[in-house]
Amino acid sequence: AQKITQTQPGMFVQEKEAVTLDCTYDTSDPSYGLFWYKQPSSGEMIFLIYQGSYDQQNATEGRYSLNFQKARKSANLVISASQLGDSAMYFCAMRGTNNDMRFGAGTRLTVKP
Amino acid sequence: EAQVTQNPRYLITVTGKKLTVTCSQNMNHEYMSWYRQDPGLGLRQIYYSMNVEVTDKGDVPEGYKVSRKEKRNFPLILESPSPNQTSLYFCASSSSQGATGELFFGEGSRLTVL
Repeated sequence: AQKITQTQPGMFVQEKEAVTLDCTYDTSDPSYGLFWYKQPSSGEMIFLIYQGSYDQQNATEGRYSLNFQKARKSANLVISASQLGDSAMYFCAMRGTNNDMRFGAGTRLTVKP
Repeated sequence: EAQVTQNPRYLITVTGKKLTVTCSQNMNHEYMSWYRQDPGLGLRQIYYSMNVEVTDKGDVPEGYKVSRKEKRNFPLILESPSPNQTSLYFCASSSSQGATGELFFGEGSRLTVL
C-alpha cells in the first residue's frame, strides 16, 4: 500500500532563510507523482509543485524546489528566502497509477520575523 | 473562472439526519474525489471517481456514499451521520488520470455532527 510520511509536525524558520520540509513515501508503483500543497490559515489548498517519478531533474517553481531522491524514496520541499506569508500547513502527497491520492499528516511551518 | 464549488461551507447537524454535500466543477475534469481532513491525520481519501458512473473507495469510505451521474457533479452523502464524521471535507478534481495531474480543490465544507 502507498504511504506518505511527514515526520515534522512543526517547523520554525527565520524570515529570509531557507527551510526544508521532509517527506518520505512508500509505493510499489513504478510510475507515480509527488505533490506539495500549502494550506494557509484560511483553509484553502494551494498546489505548489509536482515531481514525476521518471523526471530526471528536480522540479522547481519560483522559491519552491523539490529535492527528489528516488532511491531513498524522499521528496523534500525546499523553500528559499522564507517570507511571513509562507507560514502555513504543508502537505506532501503521492498519486499512483490507480489514481488513489494519499497525503501525509502535514507540517506546520512558522516563519519568524 | 475555473473552480470547484462545494456546498454547504458550514453545517451543524444531529446524529442520524441524512445530509448531502454537493461538489461541482466547471473544468470538464474526468477525475473527482472527496477527502476529509482531521488534525494530525492530514487528508484521507473517502471516494474517488474516474468518470461518469465510475466510483471507487478510498481509505475511509465507511459511512459515506457518492454518485457520479454527471461529469461536473460528485455529491457526498452521509446517510446517517455520526459524531465521528465531524470533520473538514474537501472535494477535488483533476484533468489527468494516473500519476500526473494536480488536484484542484474546493474551499472545504466544515461539518459538525452533534
